Amino acid sequence: RKEVEQDPGPFNVPEGATVAFNCTYSNSASQSFFWYRQDCRKEPKLLMSVYSSGNEDGRFTAQLNRASQYISLLIRDSKLSDSATYLCVVNRGSYKLIFGSGTRLLVRP
Amino acid sequence: DADVTQTPRNRITKTGKRIMLECSQTKGHDRMYWYRQDPGLGLRLIYYSFDVKDINKGEISDGYSVSRQAQAKFSLSLESAIPNQTALYFCATSDPLAEQETQYFGPGTRLLVL
Repeated sequence: RKEVEQDPGPFNVPEGATVAFNCTYSNSASQSFFWYRQDCRKEPKLLMSVYSSGNEDGRFTAQLNRASQYISLLIRDSKLSDSATYLCVVNRGSYKLIFGSGTRLLVRP
Repeated sequence: DADVTQTPRNRITKTGKRIMLECSQTKGHDRMYWYRQDPGLGLRLIYYSFDVKDINKGEISDGYSVSRQAQAKFSLSLESAIPNQTALYFCATSDPLAEQETQYFGPGTRLLVL
């Protein structure tokens, strides 16, 4: 079983839709959590950190549920430019980032 | 200019050849990492370095070696390339003093081993 699991998708949604991704992690000692975005054939880039109380950045909302060991990302009012792969990332402590294999999002006109 | 650069961006080589992938950064970060990415597997850590004299194995270090020549440079070598090392390789850096220690990635090197 992978330490960080994501639904690979693809999620195919129309512009303007709201879409949510979930991610589960197995190591309860995980300390911090992130969502990265990766465009096709490009490097991953930090989208947002995920805080225990939940946090929002514009159209993006991230939630953490430590008891159930899952993280979510909600995207409202989807844009064509949101099409990408979203990587769930867990920090087990110090340097050690564990990456999920990603959820692919396609936003259609 | 990009903060983290990698050379070459694309490389085709033959089984048994030795190759080196280079990474340079201008972010001033002490920590540097090498990952490989394969379809469906996510990014996996090969080696990491917290300082110029510090080298540590990641989860998949067999068949690879690294050199940290300076704070800004971290190179990855494949001593004798094999086809299952065909992958997308990323270098990354991080600042341990940042509130949330996130990693910043280079543009990647696509390696094909024939």
